Amino acid sequence: NAGVMQNPRHLVRRRGQEARLRCSPMKGHSHVYWYRQLPEEGLKFMVYLQKENIIDESGMPKERFSAEFPKEGPSILRIQQVVRGDSAAYFCASSPSSNYGYTFGSGTRLTVV
Amino acid sequence: KNEVEQSPQNLTAQEGEFITINCSYSVGISALHWLQQHPGGGIVSLFMLSSGKKKHGRLIATINIQEKHSSLHITASHPRDSAVYICAVIGLNNTDKLIFGTGTRLQVFP
Repeated sequence: NAGVMQNPRHLVRRRGQEARLRCSPMKGHSHVYWYRQLPEEGLKFMVYLQKENIIDESGMPKERFSAEFPKEGPSILRIQQVVRGDSAAYFCASSPSSNYGYTFGSGTRLTVV
Repeated sequence: KNEVEQSPQNLTAQEGEFITINCSYSVGISALHWLQQHPGGGIVSLFMLSSGKKKHGRLIATINIQEKHSSLHITASHPRDSAVYICAVIGLNNTDKLIFGTGTRLQVFP
């Protein structure tokens, strides 16, 4: 079991481009969470998904950000028209069920230039 | 005011010392997590607690639900314990999302 896999580890985008961040949860885990860590700040919740459903997206910025977790394949966090303020580490975590405990991925470090 | 507060923010220690990191929270919770993050690295889940005490190797985590307080202890600290330790809670009636403290940066010197 390879754990939670996030790719890419590092991503550089120019302002206005799109960023796609991928997260493959652990085998058997159907709950996926995305968190963002801005430079010199703490972690903040973004979105919680189960297969084909967004359960809680209260932490997602209203514009330019979207997330999905399709029936097949990884969960995707998509940021359209990136701006410098989107530069951060984005972490994915997965869990087999509610309140069970999490396994985190290694994160994707997004730099917008 | 943050819902989850940690102290101290920064902590330095000599190898072998006993370390305590504190976490206080202001909301009702269903569980509390202690996480470890190395510089530039990923996040490792150390403990999940809803009551009492858990031990894993040199790490001990305790929680007092009535006082809304948890502590993480490291016995016989080692330079490889140097990391940021993060307390996070799952609030009652929340959809399992974690609410994080700002972390405690620990440096252990040989």
